[in-house]
Amino acid sequence: AQKITQTQPGMFVQEKEAVTLDCTYDTSDPSYGLFWYKQPSSGEMIFLIYQGSYDQQNATEGRYSLNFQKARKSANLVISASQLGDSAMYFCAMREQEGYSSASKIIFGSGTRLSIRP
Amino acid sequence: NAGVTQTPKFQVLKTGQSMTLQCAQDMNHNSMYWYRQDPGMGLRLIYYSASEGTTDKGEVPNGYNVSRLNKREFSLRLESAAPSQTSVYFCASSEATRPAYEQYFGPGTRLTVT
Repeated sequence: AQKITQTQPGMFVQEKEAVTLDCTYDTSDPSYGLFWYKQPSSGEMIFLIYQGSYDQQNATEGRYSLNFQKARKSANLVISASQLGDSAMYFCAMREQEGYSSASKIIFGSGTRLSIRP
Repeated sequence: NAGVTQTPKFQVLKTGQSMTLQCAQDMNHNSMYWYRQDPGMGLRLIYYSASEGTTDKGEVPNGYNVSRLNKREFSLRLESAAPSQTSVYFCASSEATRPAYEQYFGPGTRLTVT
């Protein structure tokens, strides 16, 4: 069965520093996708970045990059030059059967609360 | 373009009462989902619908029913609410043609069962 593990319940980082949020996953499916979502205190879910299991390069979106280490089954989110507005909950998620129906199940981790200090 | 909308935003129920949470999307997505988020936890999938006319169970379907009314609308029904169903409920939609298969989320419904 697929599983997502986020081992950091909370993190404090100084503004402008880079931060890495950890995510490990477990799946027996060779085809899968990994996501990161941000949830500010207002409650909405904001999509940040996606990595497919067959993608050759690590995904990047602006200040966000995904450090994908397939052999170690890890998909860490790296935020460069952190800003006060980055303070939020961050969720790692995984879907199996990438390339199949868009309705494949997506499983979420328990999240990491990131707080940026001025 | 409103994206994904959910009604109501807040609801308080007594144990044993029933209610339906409504969700609609205007992005012409085929797939829709219902999640619940308990305090301090991630989202857990309740039910999903790959396309109009189909529904499937997720991780935590017990105590819930769903209806995919048409391509736009996907409702979640609690037949006999229990305090364990106190949670924030999110609806989402997605489309396979997008490279990232990302899901677009509604603003959530905060449900309290007393």
